[in-house]
Amino acid sequence: DTTVKQNPRYKLARVGKPVNLICSQTMNHDTMYWYQKKPNQAPKLLLFYYDKILNREADTFEKFQSSRPNNSFCSLYIGSAGLEYSAMYLCASSRGGTNTEVFFGKGTRLTVV
Amino acid sequence: QQKVQQSPESLIVPEGGMASLNCTSSDRNVDYFWWYRQHSGKSPKMLMSIFSNGEKEEGRFTVHLNKASLHTSLHIRDSQPSDSALYLCAASRGNNRIFFGDGTQLVVKP
Repeated sequence: DTTVKQNPRYKLARVGKPVNLICSQTMNHDTMYWYQKKPNQAPKLLLFYYDKILNREADTFEKFQSSRPNNSFCSLYIGSAGLEYSAMYLCASSRGGTNTEVFFGKGTRLTVV
Repeated sequence: QQKVQQSPESLIVPEGGMASLNCTSSDRNVDYFWWYRQHSGKSPKMLMSIFSNGEKEEGRFTVHLNKASLHTSLHIRDSQPSDSALYLCAASRGNNRIFFGDGTQLVVKP
């Protein structure tokens, strides 16, 4: 099963409220990623876990948090949603090592109002 | 963060025709390129990857890489309507960071 599961598929949030998105995979992959995708733009890497080590991109460092309580699960947390957070959030995972295939979930479409 | 440029933004080819998509990285440290395909409403799925200079062929799909210019291209021969999708190019530099381009929207007209 090469499935990465994301919940929920659609999320509506109010400005200023927190948002928590969930991702799981059963492939025993070492690395799990979160990307943000807006229409007509490239998926933007927000952060990734390699095993238990969290790596956040410099330009999104303070906007997103994440946790990985075990190998299979990874969450993306927004403490206070703004309108600019409206986007598709893609979770992905890959096997250990570098330059290995990345498997994507179907995404969570977040709309902030 | 934009390190991967794709062209064209959109492409229309007739069924049976050849589709050619381009991708260039501005990061000289990348050493691996990927092509992903995303059908509408679905998650991106890897098509092909390449890290050596030259060409790699899988069925109707051929990928070229020129490491000196950090340019890769994807060619689809005998294009089918089912090939209509968003094609994403990605580059990585061996540290788990994978960066994507904006994509090329391919439409194959019957």
